[in-house]
Amino acid sequence: AQSVTQLGSHVSVSEGALVLLRCNYSSSVPPYLFWYVQYPNQGLQLLLKYTTGATLVKGINGFEAEFKKSETSFHLTKPSAHMSDAAEYFCAVSGIGGYQKVTFGTGTKLQVIP
Amino acid sequence: GAGVSQSPRYKVTKRGQDVALRCDPISGHVSLYWYRQALGQGPEFLTYFNYEAQQDKSGLPNDRFSAERPEGSISTLTIQRTEQRDSAMYRCASSLSASTGELFFGEGSRLTVL
Repeated sequence: AQSVTQLGSHVSVSEGALVLLRCNYSSSVPPYLFWYVQYPNQGLQLLLKYTTGATLVKGINGFEAEFKKSETSFHLTKPSAHMSDAAEYFCAVSGIGGYQKVTFGTGTKLQVIP
Repeated sequence: GAGVSQSPRYKVTKRGQDVALRCDPISGHVSLYWYRQALGQGPEFLTYFNYEAQQDKSGLPNDRFSAERPEGSISTLTIQRTEQRDSAMYRCASSLSASTGELFFGEGSRLTVL
């Protein structure tokens, strides 16, 4: 079974400041890890994913995340926040290979202050 | 189609009525998922299909909920004898294959049970 925990349901940052959204996972098998973003009144869309290989993965809009097995973490970062980054972000996990369901966290709403 | 299409976008019904929610996935996508998302929460897994086979229905809350995908393309989620607690956003997603974990979401069907 897999699960994810997102620390902080709301995060506020100033425009231009570092964005850090935290995600810790639990998985009985090697995981695939994902970050999805949801803009108001839209469906979720994939930001980035980790499957195997390089532990630092880069996604769209300047976001990146690092898989740290020892810490069971997959935190999302962006060096400089932009107003357009305001959205809700969901961390998700699935097991590798075969047919696996994707389990989502409860989400973190990011507010960017001008 | 170009994206995942869900209908109806909004459904208001009275308690005790049956509702059917439809999902048309991206053409060629093998896997199809149904999620339910309450306000302020992450998507909660309901069920998923590979082709026409329902691989996992462990997330369906009770036997009033059912889903089918008879020809391996369009899927219908049916809720019988609706209750107020069924009110939520119901999201469909498709994937080229379940092993990638990369989901493409529709805009959802918002169900309100009065």
